Amino acid sequence: AQKITQTQPGMFVQEKEAVTLDCTYDTSDPSYGLFWYKQPSSGEMIFLIYQGSYDQQNATEGRYSLNFQKARKSANLVISASQLGDSAMYFCAMRSGGSNYKLTFGKGTLLTVNP
Amino acid sequence: DVKVTQSSRYLVKRTGEKVFLECVQDMDHENMFWYRQDPGLGLRLIYFSYDVKMKEKGDIPEGYSVSREKKERFSLILESASTNQTSMYLCASSLPESGGISTDTQYFGPGTRLTVL
Repeated sequence: AQKITQTQPGMFVQEKEAVTLDCTYDTSDPSYGLFWYKQPSSGEMIFLIYQGSYDQQNATEGRYSLNFQKARKSANLVISASQLGDSAMYFCAMRSGGSNYKLTFGKGTLLTVNP
Repeated sequence: DVKVTQSSRYLVKRTGEKVFLECVQDMDHENMFWYRQDPGLGLRLIYFSYDVKMKEKGDIPEGYSVSREKKERFSLILESASTNQTSMYLCASSLPESGGISTDTQYFGPGTRLTVL
């Protein structure tokens, strides 16, 4: 069975600093995909970044990067130069080969950016 | 620009009522999903549909049914609403898998916060 673990219920960061949100996963499938979503207080889930299990390089999208360590089964999200608008819930999710399109989500990390 | 819309942002219903939550996507996606989100539990999949009139149960289908008569529309139905169905409901859509793991992303609507009294 697939499982996503986010061990940080809440995180605080000062504006303009970098922050790392942790995510570990468990799957027996050799082929899988990892996603990060942001959920502001408005409720909408916003896709941030994707990493495929066979991708050679870590994914990057603007200020977001994914620190993918396959042997450790971790896919941490790094946000550089934090902004006040980054305050939100962040969810890590995984899709693996036998899942019939299903995403398995972690329980989320609430990030607060302080001015 | 991707667009998934849900019929209501907030909904209040009484126990025993039949409730319809509507979701529409304009991206011509084959796959559509319904999740519920509860504090401390994250997102849990209720049902998904991979084609018109096709559906599969997710992790928590009990008490729910779905309907997909047109490709762009996916409805979640609570046949007889109960207080334990008070939750945030999120709809999503994505392209189908092709030749193994695809990089398709699920795009979400704004959510419907349902309260059952």
